[in-house]
Amino acid sequence: EAAVTQSPRNKVTVTGGNVTLSCRQTNSHNYMYWYRQDTGHGLRLIHYSYGAGNLQIGDVPDGYKATRTTQEDFFLLLELASPSQTSLYFCASGGQQDTQYFGPGTRLLVL
Amino acid sequence: GQQVQQSPASLVLQEGENAELQCNFSTSLNSMQWFYQRPGGSLVSLFYNPSGTKHSGRLTSTTVIKERRSSLHISSSQTTDSGTYLCALANNNAPRFGAGTKLSVKP
Repeated sequence: EAAVTQSPRNKVTVTGGNVTLSCRQTNSHNYMYWYRQDTGHGLRLIHYSYGAGNLQIGDVPDGYKATRTTQEDFFLLLELASPSQTSLYFCASGGQQDTQYFGPGTRLLVL
Repeated sequence: GQQVQQSPASLVLQEGENAELQCNFSTSLNSMQWFYQRPGGSLVSLFYNPSGTKHSGRLTSTTVIKERRSSLHISSSQTTDSGTYLCALANNNAPRFGAGTKLSVKP
């Protein structure tokens, strides 16, 4: 069974705070993705990567950085968090021409 | 404009009824996927179906590329089918999701 884990599962920070969300996959997939999910918007793609050291910009990248340090690990960084970034964040991995496997999600609250 | 549109936005069924969920897209695709999101938030892949028809138990997915649509058919619905169904199309491995169909199946 494919496995994608995320940490932390819940996070509360203040406006202007620094947050790092972590994602690890053990599927040997090349592609990894970060999404945010908000009511009425479905999942929106923030950043994605097709391998260690690679980064591609998604549809809603403003205010977010990401880094793919290894095949397994993909991080999402919010360096100056704002209340508009309060959301449910999902990480996923996938192969080319293959489905995606999702992590359990991280709930982020920015006060 | 929005590339992926799902309909209906919400649907209420009596247990045993069938459901047809639609996903329409405005761009070309190289993959189409259907996911189920549990009320608690976790996402489960249902189908990877870039074209044609696929079956899995009571679920059937049909993608017609030239008509730019994909459908998910649920037969003999059960209360455990309640949740949100999401479709996603991908170009160049960057998936875009629809807003989802929220399904509620009443006993």
